[in-house]
Amino acid sequence: EVQLVESGGGLVQPGGSLRLSCAASGFTLSSYDMHWVRQDTVKSLEWVSGIDTTGDTYYADSVKGRFTISREKAKNSLYLQMNSLRGEDTAVYFCVRGRNLNDCWGQGTLVTVSS
Amino acid sequence: DIQLTQSPSFLSASVGDRVTITCRATQGISSKLAWFQQKPGKAPKLLIYVASALQSGVPSRFSGSGSGTEFTLTIGSLQPEDFATYYCQQVNSYPRTFGQGTKVEMK
Repeated sequence: EVQLVESGGGLVQPGGSLRLSCAASGFTLSSYDMHWVRQDTVKSLEWVSGIDTTGDTYYADSVKGRFTISREKAKNSLYLQMNSLRGEDTAVYFCVRGRNLNDCWGQGTLVTVSS
Repeated sequence: DIQLTQSPSFLSASVGDRVTITCRATQGISSKLAWFQQKPGKAPKLLIYVASALQSGVPSRFSGSGSGTEFTLTIGSLQPEDFATYYCQQVNSYPRTFGQGTKVEMK
């Protein structure tokens, strides 16, 4: 079964750091473009970052310079290192598979940035 | 960046109604558009990709059309399980963007 499972969310103070993980099963993660998408309680879905099969990375302007996406083939996992966190980064973060066809989403992990 | 505007933002409908949601892009994106359905507390579910292709397992009452800057999602006959929020997403270029969502509520 194709599945994505996120972990690593939690409560962090403004200015702090957090690392999200996404474990893939049922497919080889590095053979697909992969993304992080977030959703807060008020706004719509927001694409955050992506990594393609060649390893090129992409970021939303709102997180550029603060977040880093990466993957580890041996663990079939995707990561999002989040630094200098702000209140507006509070959201549920989803790990998503695909380029033109985002057919598999994780269940999401909640990140809360608050003092 | 490409902006997507969905209309309407809210829609009240009854079971059996034909429902149409529009998504407009600020620049041409060919057919690089997807539609998702989201229910409370759940991840979005892919319905339509490349504007008109039905994702495997999605009921045929869902259909998509359009290209360039204007796209539509149609639900042929609304079923009780279809009350949800629907989003469009462009996959033509980075940064990927989503529409603001259309909430379909029971009349």
